Amino acid sequence: SQKIEQNSEALNIQEGKTATLTCNYTNYSPAYLQWYRQDPGRGPVFLLLIRENEKEKRKERLKVTFDTTLKQSLFHITASQPADSATYLCALDINSGYALNFGKGTSLLVTP
Amino acid sequence: EPEVTQTPSHQVTQMGQEVILRCVPISNHLYFYWYRQILGQKVEFLVSFYNNEISEKSEIFDDQFSVERPDGSNFTLKIRSTKLEDSAMYFCASSEAMGGTNEKLFFGSGTQLSVL
Repeated sequence: SQKIEQNSEALNIQEGKTATLTCNYTNYSPAYLQWYRQDPGRGPVFLLLIRENEKEKRKERLKVTFDTTLKQSLFHITASQPADSATYLCALDINSGYALNFGKGTSLLVTP
Repeated sequence: EPEVTQTPSHQVTQMGQEVILRCVPISNHLYFYWYRQILGQKVEFLVSFYNNEISEKSEIFDDQFSVERPDGSNFTLKIRSTKLEDSAMYFCASSEAMGGTNEKLFFGSGTQLSVL
């Protein structure tokens, strides 16, 4: 069956450091992979999309890599801030359609 | 910035009752979705809707569930006979779905459904 695995343990880092979150998947051949941010009691908010033919994508302090051989994506937040504290979700397309399956997410806590 | 709006924000119902959750997607979007999130669990796909018909649905979306776009702006999820295990946050989402970089989903703030 299709699986999206994200580190279930919360990631605690100090302000200013780089946070690195991992997303591994099995039994998918995704055309693209997306990352979302979710705050408590709120809907997910889109952050970045990376396609299967792209190795890396950047947006401001965010960087995503995508290795289709390893079936893994890494999500980096550089110069992290307390406002970056949230749960980060990895998502893959279902059956090459437009609907997405989400991983359970990794909770990030950035302390001053 | 355009946003997806959902009403009500909270809904309490008795087991066996019918509920309708309402959503207004972003106006120029063509694909509409319902997801749910049980407390402490992942965001789960229920159904996607395009061109006035269901395009994909998950195993969760059984005969108790239905979706409708009754007019040009609203998108609804109906649960015919609610069960305790239907208690969750229900999210509506929409996307442009025109290819390119338009596959991203825009989510509403959710409706917290509590079945007693």
